[in-house]
Amino acid sequence: DVKVTQSSRYLVKRTGEKVFLECVQDMDHENMFWYRQDPGLGLRLIYFSYDVKMKEKGDIPEGYSVSREKKERFSLILESASTNQTSMYLCASSPSPTKNIQYFGAGTRLSVL
Amino acid sequence: GDSVTQMEGPVTLSEEAFLTINCTYTATGYPSLFWYVQYPGEGLQLLLKATKADDKGSNKGFEATYRKETTSFHLEKGSVQVSDSAVYFCALFGNEKLTFGTGTRLTIIP
Repeated sequence: DVKVTQSSRYLVKRTGEKVFLECVQDMDHENMFWYRQDPGLGLRLIYFSYDVKMKEKGDIPEGYSVSREKKERFSLILESASTNQTSMYLCASSPSPTKNIQYFGAGTRLSVL
Repeated sequence: GDSVTQMEGPVTLSEEAFLTINCTYTATGYPSLFWYVQYPGEGLQLLLKATKADDKGSNKGFEATYRKETTSFHLEKGSVQVSDSAVYFCALFGNEKLTFGTGTRLTIIP
């Protein structure tokens, strides 16, 4: 089975802190994605990556950056956390060329106080 | 741009009831359509898909038919179980990305 592991299930941070959310997949997938999930808004794409050291902006990239130094790992970075970034963050991966069937991690619930 | 509109929740049904969760979409071209499910404490997982008009996707007793004329992909199940309690997301794949609906929380009571 494909496994997508997010390093933390719950995280509490202070406004202004730099926050790292880590995601690792074990199926050698080329494509990786970061979403945030908010009530009434569904999932919104923040960033995605189709290859190592490659990144593309999704629909809501403001306030976020990403890093993909190794194929299996995709990190989401909040340079200076703000309260409006309190949310559930979901990581996903998919094999090329099938970007539409994605495998999701269990999510990290981030609270920014 | 592409968008997905799905039935507002939450939905509460008794065990063995018939389920319909409505989903309509707006997209250019002919997108592939999906239903993903999120069980409590877990990430989303693919439930079923359809890639062209009149295709029927099915899995675990759930079905959905790709209706191009009504731009719809409604999810149905004839007899729901308590274990079907989850959040259901309709999605389309177009312009190289998945676009999700807002999700419908389903609770089945024994």
